[in-house]
Amino acid sequence: DIQMTQSPSSMSASLGDRVTITCRASQDIGNYLSWFQQKPGKSPRRMIYGATNLAAGVPSRFSGSRSGSDYSLTISSLESEDMAIYYCLQSIQYPFTFGSGTKLEIK
Amino acid sequence: EVQLVESGGGLVQPGRSLKLSCLASGFTFSNYGMNWIRQAPGKGLEWVASISSSSSYIYYADTVKGRFTISRDNAKNTLYLQMTSLRSEDTALYYCARHGPLIRGFDYWGQGVMVTVSS
Repeated sequence: DIQMTQSPSSMSASLGDRVTITCRASQDIGNYLSWFQQKPGKSPRRMIYGATNLAAGVPSRFSGSRSGSDYSLTISSLESEDMAIYYCLQSIQYPFTFGSGTKLEIK
Repeated sequence: EVQLVESGGGLVQPGRSLKLSCLASGFTFSNYGMNWIRQAPGKGLEWVASISSSSSYIYYADTVKGRFTISRDNAKNTLYLQMTSLRSEDTALYYCARHGPLIRGFDYWGQGVMVTVSS
C-alpha cells in the first residue's frame, strides 16, 4: 500500500502568514494527489487536484506543488476562514490513502 | 448542481447489518466511478470502497473486505454500501463521493450519514 506521510500534524499561524503543508508519498503517485479542506461539522472540500490544479471556486491564495515524492499545499496569505483540517489523498493505486491530516489554527 | 445525499445510517448492534444509500443528482451518474469514505469520531478520513461506472471494477479496504459490499443502480442514480458483521470500529460518519476522471480525485462529497455500532 502507498503511505502518505503528512506534516505537520498541527500548526498555528497568524493572519497574513504564508502556510505550507506537505505530504510525502512512499511510492510514485505521479500527479494523482488531491488536497481537501474540512471544517468542523462539514464534509471535505476538494481544494487542489492533480497536485497543482486549483479546484473550481477555491480562492487563488491556495496552490499546490510537487517536488519529487513531496507534495505541498500552500496558502499564500492566511485568512481566518482557512482554519480547518487539511488532508491529502493519493488516488493512483488501490487502496486509496489519505494523509493523517493537518489541523490549522489561527494565532 | 451536483448533489449526493446519503441515507440509511443509525444505531446497530455488533454483528448486525446495515445498508447505506447515496442518491445522486445533477450529473450523469452512470458516467462516474463512486466511492465510500468514512471518518470515525475525531479521526481522519479512511477510504472504504470504490466502484467503477458500470460496476466492472470494485475495490475494498482490507478493514472491510469480506464484510462490506459496494454496489450501484444506475437506473436509480443510487450507490449502496451493504455492511454486515458490523464491529464497534465501524462506527463512523460515512460519506459517498464522486470520482472525477483521471487525476481529478474525489470532486463531490455528500453530507455524510452516521453509523453507530454499539450494544
